[in-house]
Amino acid sequence: EPEVTQTPSHQVTQMGQEVILRCVPISNHLYFYWYRQILGQKVEFLVSFYNNEISEKSEIFDDQFSVERPDGSNFTLKIRSTKLEDSAMYFCASSERQIIYNEQFFGPGTRLTVL
Amino acid sequence: AQKVTQAQTEISVVEKEDVTLDCVYETRDTTYYLFWYKQPPSGELVFLIRRNSFDEQNEISGRYSWNFQKSTSSFNFTITASQVVDSAVYFCALSEEETSYDKVIFGPGTSLSVIP
Repeated sequence: EPEVTQTPSHQVTQMGQEVILRCVPISNHLYFYWYRQILGQKVEFLVSFYNNEISEKSEIFDDQFSVERPDGSNFTLKIRSTKLEDSAMYFCASSERQIIYNEQFFGPGTRLTVL
Repeated sequence: AQKVTQAQTEISVVEKEDVTLDCVYETRDTTYYLFWYKQPPSGELVFLIRRNSFDEQNEISGRYSWNFQKSTSSFNFTITASQVVDSAVYFCALSEEETSYDKVIFGPGTSLSVIP
């Protein structure tokens, strides 16, 4: 069964460093998303991406964040200068069409720890 | 203000009991979608159901059922004859027309423990 994959599973970085979190969505999916979940808290929407551009983003997704689909398979989230409060689990998700029509599939997450 | 409220932070039930997880939402849109997701202890997020604002029919899927009431802005989730495998955090979520349905707002989650 096709699945969303994410690498790495755990990333440890120093405050101020740049990190890139990688996701491989399901191959025929056209809509892509990033969410984060601070430990023990709710899942927070970061950004949605369709047709090579951002369709929606939250207040969390400031200038320190960017997304890219560099090739036909990867979908990346970059944090330019990490802060302690960026420590969280980051989930990538994809769907074939908009989620009002199709189920959104989530990856297993990347745990980001900022020291 | 919270757009999605799940007032029950944690619930514990004994196996085979029925349990209802509450969800109250807030939106100005007339067209919107509601979702439930499950996050078991392993951490992944699993889609359970999607419901649009025009469809108030209750839905049943095996031991799961959902009760959508527009009049009270609620979309409650009932598990019948709970099992230990139902232990998880359950999130209710909302997607609105004003964001072209591309933004999903999650509630804070309800942690359900089913005790054998």
